[in-house]
Amino acid sequence: EDQVTQSPEALRLQEGESSSLNCSYTVSGLRGLFWYRQDPGKGPEFLFTLYSAGEEKEKERLKATLTKKESFLHITAPKPEDSATYLCAVRKGTASKLTFGTGTRLQVTL
Amino acid sequence: EPEVTQTPSHQVTQMGQEVILRCVPISNHLYFYWYRQILGQKVEFLVSFYNNEISEKSEIFDDQFSVERPDGSNFTLKIRSTKLEDSAMYFCASRADANYEQYFGPGTRLTVT
Repeated sequence: EDQVTQSPEALRLQEGESSSLNCSYTVSGLRGLFWYRQDPGKGPEFLFTLYSAGEEKEKERLKATLTKKESFLHITAPKPEDSATYLCAVRKGTASKLTFGTGTRLQVTL
Repeated sequence: EPEVTQTPSHQVTQMGQEVILRCVPISNHLYFYWYRQILGQKVEFLVSFYNNEISEKSEIFDDQFSVERPDGSNFTLKIRSTKLEDSAMYFCASRADANYEQYFGPGTRLTVT
């Protein structure tokens, strides 16, 4: 059965304290891994798509990487405004639907 | 920047009533989706829609659910006879033809009492 697992469930960082969020997947025929940010009571906001192992994408303080088994979202020198839940999702085969993990709830404090 | 919009933001209904959730996808997008998120749980796929027909649906999307694109801009999700367990946040998403990046609306919080 396809699975998307995110860890940790929650992470508390001080401002400037870099860290990584993990998304591990067991999906046959991966056709894309997606990272989203979700603020409380809001819809997921698209961040990155990764398609093949070794690929990396960056946006401001965020950098996403992909291997054959997992993806990491690295957060460098986070700020309080980076506080949110970060979701990863996968697409497989010819389907276009996304299968989401449960997310990592990130809190960045001063 | 173009965005997906959804109305209403919050809908309260009684069990057994019909509800229609509305979405306006991004204007040049061709693929449309509904997802739901029960409080504290993961975002779950319900249905995808392309070229005026359903292209995929999950086991959640049973006969009580239907989708429609009644005109060139709106995309709706109808739940015929709501149940308590339908209480959730419902998200509409859309994407362009060229890639698989889905853009989500702000959601409709459905509360069934």
